[in-house]
Amino acid sequence: KNQVEQSPQSLIILEGKNCTLQCNYTVSPFSNLRWYKQDTGRGPVSLTIMTFSENTKSNGRYTATLDADTKQSSLHITASQLSDSASYICVVRNNNAGNMLTFGGGTRLMVKP
Amino acid sequence: ETGVTQTPRHLVMGMTNKKSLKCEQHLGHNAMYWYKQSAKKPLELMFVYNFKEQTENNSVPSRFSPECPNSSHLFLHLHTLQPEDSALYLCASSQETGIGNSPLHFGNGTRLTVT
Repeated sequence: KNQVEQSPQSLIILEGKNCTLQCNYTVSPFSNLRWYKQDTGRGPVSLTIMTFSENTKSNGRYTATLDADTKQSSLHITASQLSDSASYICVVRNNNAGNMLTFGGGTRLMVKP
Repeated sequence: ETGVTQTPRHLVMGMTNKKSLKCEQHLGHNAMYWYKQSAKKPLELMFVYNFKEQTENNSVPSRFSPECPNSSHLFLHLHTLQPEDSALYLCASSQETGIGNSPLHFGNGTRLTVT
């Protein structure tokens, strides 16, 4: 069964600190993995996409990694800002005819001043 | 501002009411989706329309009825809902090329409360 598990479920950090969010998946065959950011009261917005051949990709203060062998991804946030407070959702697409997406439950991040 | 617009933003309805959610995308995409987001649960895909044709109906109860009159508009008609249907309903669009690398562009959702 295709599954995406994210940890931690929630996280509180102080402004300026770094943090790392985890995503483990069992989706097969793998096509790509995407991280979304969802601010409160808004829809999710894509941060970055990782394909099978990519190990790391950065988008400003966000850096995503992918280990396709262990089926793990991480999202590292550097020098956190109050505006980083949001839910971060990991989504994995499979590579069969349906191109189905499997969503993780998200990590709720709160950045405090 | 998002290229996908959903109305209304909030909706409270009784179990015997009939209401509709509206979604409009201004991105020229060829696929549109309805997702349900409940507290502490992953997003659940409800319906997919590709080139106005419904390509997926994820075992959704018949009290939810989608309509896609053209590639820019998507509706979700609601009738005789249950309290457990209370959730955030998200519309999304994407440009599907068959490769599968296109992101979903979400609207800001309709917060539905069924009383």
